Amino acid sequence: EAAVTQSPRSKVAVTGGKVTLSCHQTNNHDYMYWYRQDTGHGLRLIHYSYVADSTEKGDIPDGYKASRPSQENFSLILELASLSQTAVYFCASRRGLSNERLFFGHGTKLSVL
Amino acid sequence: GNSVTQMQGQVTLSEEEFLFINCTYSTTGYPTLFWYVQYPGEGPQLLLKVTTANNKGSSRGFEATYDKGTTSFHLQKASVQESDSAVYYCVLGGSNTNKVVFGTGTRLQVLP
Repeated sequence: EAAVTQSPRSKVAVTGGKVTLSCHQTNNHDYMYWYRQDTGHGLRLIHYSYVADSTEKGDIPDGYKASRPSQENFSLILELASLSQTAVYFCASRRGLSNERLFFGHGTKLSVL
Repeated sequence: GNSVTQMQGQVTLSEEEFLFINCTYSTTGYPTLFWYVQYPGEGPQLLLKVTTANNKGSSRGFEATYDKGTTSFHLQKASVQESDSAVYYCVLGGSNTNKVVFGTGTRLQVLP
């Protein structure tokens, strides 16, 4: 079973501060994704990557940056955290194109105060 | 672009009742339809995948099919249990895209 590990599991940040969420996968998957979950919106795609050292914008990239330094690691960076970025963030990985299943981490609950 | 509409935000049933959740989709490609389930405190996990219209996928007592004519796909279970309480997402993917599209989720509450 594919393993995706997110850290931290929860974080409290101050408005205007920098936040980095980390994701690590151990299954040699090419594709990695960052999603945001809010009540009433389901999961929305922020950034994704299909190869190390390259990232792509998803559907809601504003206010977020991503970094993929290796195949196993994918980070989400909030340079200037805002109240509206309070949410649960999920990282996922997948072997190939979108007819393959996604494997999700347990999520990071971010509260920006 | 691809899109998914999941209208049922909340469904409440008693144990042993029949479950039916429906979604509609829009795509220009060849779709793969998924159902993911999310339990509290966890990430979503794959429940079912259907790659061919009118073929049935099944897992853990759940069944799913999709209809190209009406561009709809649904999830059903004949007799729900309290342990089925979770959020269910319909998801549209395909072989021609890097991205999947999630519905907004249906929260199922099963009362004992």
